[in-house]
Amino acid sequence: GAVVSQHPSWVICKSGTSVKIECRSLDFQATTMFWYRQFPKQSLMLMATSNEGSKATYEQGVEKDKFLINHASLTLSTLTVTSAHPEDSSFYICSARTGEKLFFGSGTQLSVL
Amino acid sequence: LAKTTQPISMDSYEGQEVNITCSHNNIATNDYITWYQQFPSQGPRFIIQGYKTKVTNEVASLFIPADRKSSTLSLPRVSLSDTAVYYCLVGDATNDYKLSFGAGTTVTVRA
Repeated sequence: GAVVSQHPSWVICKSGTSVKIECRSLDFQATTMFWYRQFPKQSLMLMATSNEGSKATYEQGVEKDKFLINHASLTLSTLTVTSAHPEDSSFYICSARTGEKLFFGSGTQLSVL
Repeated sequence: LAKTTQPISMDSYEGQEVNITCSHNNIATNDYITWYQQFPSQGPRFIIQGYKTKVTNEVASLFIPADRKSSTLSLPRVSLSDTAVYYCLVGDATNDYKLSFGAGTTVTVRA
């Protein structure tokens, strides 16, 4: 299947700093990418939909100024967690759409101290 | 978004066939049914997708009845490495294709 690369795999940062997570579709172009977060033992929760060249659409309850999403090209979307706090610690996962299928990145474990 | 209902957990033994049924009573005409597998600390992995009837690939089969209100993922001859969470998702691939994850089914395969 198609490959979606997500980096970094894990990151530890101090409270108040910003963290950027990259999501790349390696062998296909993705007009739409999605960002999820997952807490331990829970399911994935959709945070936002990212369309190339336009502003992201955020799900209810997700702060757009907190979680900045940029989808500047057909193969790259980035999620920046701004002024991270311990409650932002979570597993973040991206996915990219090709045709009728979605393929997911390997996830990023964010730990905010 | 169509809501899905799956069993919370299932236990099986190596070599057995595992069937997971998912209910999606309010599935829409343009919705596809897709199943994913997730291991701890990894992103979901695509298993199989279908629209109607039966779909089979090298790892699983997907059975969809005519009314499409449910679907069954069949994993033949499971092994210990098939222990994972399995998600059934329903989404409109002709639209923005937002997928809503339910709780998933934790499948535990024992020796």
